[in-house]
Amino acid sequence: DAGVIQSPRHEVTEMGQEVTLRCKPISGHDYLFWYRQTMMRGLELLIYFNNNVPIDDSGMPEDRFSAKMPNASFSTLKIQPSEPRDSAVYFCASSLRGASSYTFGSGTRLTVV
Amino acid sequence: AQSVTQPDIHITVSEGASLELRCNYSYGATPYLFWYVQSPGQGLQLLLKYFSGDTLVQGIKGFEAEFKRSQSSFNLRKPSVHWSDAAEYFCAVGAGNYGGSQGNLIFGKGTKLSVKP
Repeated sequence: DAGVIQSPRHEVTEMGQEVTLRCKPISGHDYLFWYRQTMMRGLELLIYFNNNVPIDDSGMPEDRFSAKMPNASFSTLKIQPSEPRDSAVYFCASSLRGASSYTFGSGTRLTVV
Repeated sequence: AQSVTQPDIHITVSEGASLELRCNYSYGATPYLFWYVQSPGQGLQLLLKYFSGDTLVQGIKGFEAEFKRSQSSFNLRKPSVHWSDAAEYFCAVGAGNYGGSQGNLIFGKGTKLSVKP
């Protein structure tokens, strides 16, 4: 298996632009998680899905952030409009049966200028 | 609510020396506990996990961790550190019901390990 695949690896965008991050989970995994990592706040859970259904989105910072999982093999995290404080590394992870077997992607480093 | 504390932000050890990274958690029952390692520019890789049973768990790369319920701790150890172990280490606890077996992980802030030659 190729693991959890995230794209792009790096994204530089201007403030106010829309940003879409993509994630392909491991085939057969039923949970998908989006985390954000910053120096100040560490790893924060943004949202997670179980069987393509959002379960907990309480970590999504504000309405500018949205996430979808249209099918079991694809998820997106969208920021619109982006702001400099959104600059971070965004990780996607997938697992089978919740917390027991996380696999992380390599992350997307987002820089908003 | 569940939480994880890693008291040491940065630790430096000499190559060949032993290592212990501290982790304390807050959880009402027996938690699911994890240690992950992150190399620069990479995602997190699972080192080991504890769900139940033997409180001393073995992981990859020669790491082990011991679950101590009385101290709410899950410290990571390695008897002899190699230069390639330099990385950031994260302790995590499973959130949610059933001991944290479902749902998301809550991570500590991480401990950065530097290795001196």
